[in-house]
Amino acid sequence: AQSVTQLDSQVPVFEEAPVELRCNYSSSVSVYLFWYVQYPNQGLQLLLKYLSGSTLVKGINGFEAEFNKSQTSFHLRKPSVHISDTAEYFCAVSVGQAGTALIFGKGTTLSVSS
Amino acid sequence: DTGVSQNPRHKITKRGQNVTFRCDPISEHNRLYWYRQTLGQGPEFLTYFQNEAQLEKSRLLSDRFSAERPKGSFSTLEIQRTEQGDSAMYLCASSLVGPGTQYFGPGTRLLVL
Repeated sequence: AQSVTQLDSQVPVFEEAPVELRCNYSSSVSVYLFWYVQYPNQGLQLLLKYLSGSTLVKGINGFEAEFNKSQTSFHLRKPSVHISDTAEYFCAVSVGQAGTALIFGKGTTLSVSS
Repeated sequence: DTGVSQNPRHKITKRGQNVTFRCDPISEHNRLYWYRQTLGQGPEFLTYFQNEAQLEKSRLLSDRFSAERPKGSFSTLEIQRTEQGDSAMYLCASSLVGPGTQYFGPGTRLLVL
C-alpha cells in the first residue's frame, strides 16, 4: 500500500531563514507528488506538483521541491521564509496512470517567528 | 471560476441524527472527491466520482455514509446515525480527468455531541 511520511511534525524557524520540510513516500508504481498548504480556517491550496519531467519543481510563494526517485523523497524548500508562511503543509501522492485518490501525510506545522 | 464551495461550513448535531453536506465543484470539472480530516492528521480519501458515476470508495466509508452526484454536478455526502467518531472536517475537491491538480473547498466541520 502506498504511504506518505512527513518526517517533522513541527518546524519552528526565524523569519528570513531557509527551511526544508521533508517528505518520503512508498510506492512501487509511478507516482505524482504534491505539496499543499493549509492556512488557519481555510481550505487546502496547491503549492506545487510533480507529474513528470524536470525533478526540480517550482511553486507559488517562492517554494520549490525536488523529486528524488532513488530516495523516494519530495522535500519542500524555501530559501527565505516570511511570517506569512506560517501554516500547515501537507505532502501528498497520487498513484497510477489515472491519478485518482490523494494519499496525504500527517502534515508539518511551519511556525515562522520574528 | 468561483472555486469549490461547500455547505454548510459548520454543523453541530446530536449522536444518532442524520446529516447531509453539499459540495459544488468547479463547473467544468468532471471529477469530484470527498475526504475527511481529523485534528492533527492529513486528509483521508473517502470516495470519488467521475461525472455521476461513483468510481472508488475507501474502506473508511462505512455503510452509514452515502454519497451521490446525481447529475454530475454538485454532490451530497450523507451520514446516517452519526457517532462521536464522525466528528471531523469533511473536504470536497474537484479536478479534470487525469493526474492533475485537485482543488479543495473550505470544508464542512462536523461536531457530533
